[in-house]
Amino acid sequence: QVQLQESGPGLVKPSETLTLTCAVSGYSISSGFYWGWIRQPPGKGLEWIGSIYHSGNTYYNPSLKSRVTISVDTSRNEFSLRLSSVTAADTAVYYCARQPNLVVAGTDYFDDWGQGTLVTVSS
Amino acid sequence: QSALTQPASVSGSPGQSITISCTGTSSDVGGYNYVSWYQQHPGKAPKLMIYDVSKRPSGVSNRFSGSKSGNTASLTISGLQAEDEADYYCSSYTSSSNWVFGGGTKLTVV
Repeated sequence: QVQLQESGPGLVKPSETLTLTCAVSGYSISSGFYWGWIRQPPGKGLEWIGSIYHSGNTYYNPSLKSRVTISVDTSRNEFSLRLSSVTAADTAVYYCARQPNLVVAGTDYFDDWGQGTLVTVSS
Repeated sequence: QSALTQPASVSGSPGQSITISCTGTSSDVGGYNYVSWYQQHPGKAPKLMIYDVSKRPSGVSNRFSGSKSGNTASLTISGLQAEDEADYYCSSYTSSSNWVFGGGTKLTVV
């Protein structure tokens, strides 16, 4: 049973960098899936942020691309999100999730999700 | 990329069927059979209910079904139950190798 757990500061100041980590257990992060970040502002819908493969190949939401970096640490079986120059609009619950390698598997979904972590941007 | 369009809310009575639509473009919903649907209860993480337009993950009730016509995908829930009351989101792969979600639909079981 794969489990994902987000961790990081719950409060970030405006203009600073938000950094979150997703620890994966019960499954090797190197085993053929992509790993994604999705966020949800309070009372609003889901927004895909970006996804990474164990090789380091990444895809980013064009609207966030200039501020986002996603990285993977296969030795620790975890991946991370960095979002720079944050504003109040970045206040959201941030989820990490697993998704298959669409090109290899020919299927697409986000199946296993972390419980989410609320990050508030405020001075 | 723009969010996929979903109705803000739908409602139904126990035992009835409801359908939630998800409208995109030929660059996402209409261009690929990679539409998925998620159920989210308050304070909880989303749960995968349908993937690849109409496939059901193991453990998901067969009361949930998905379909697609042109640029619009649909989620149908039959035999509505109180526990189905939740927010529902669609998602699609896009031609830019990105993923886009719908704005979400609140299902009320009255």
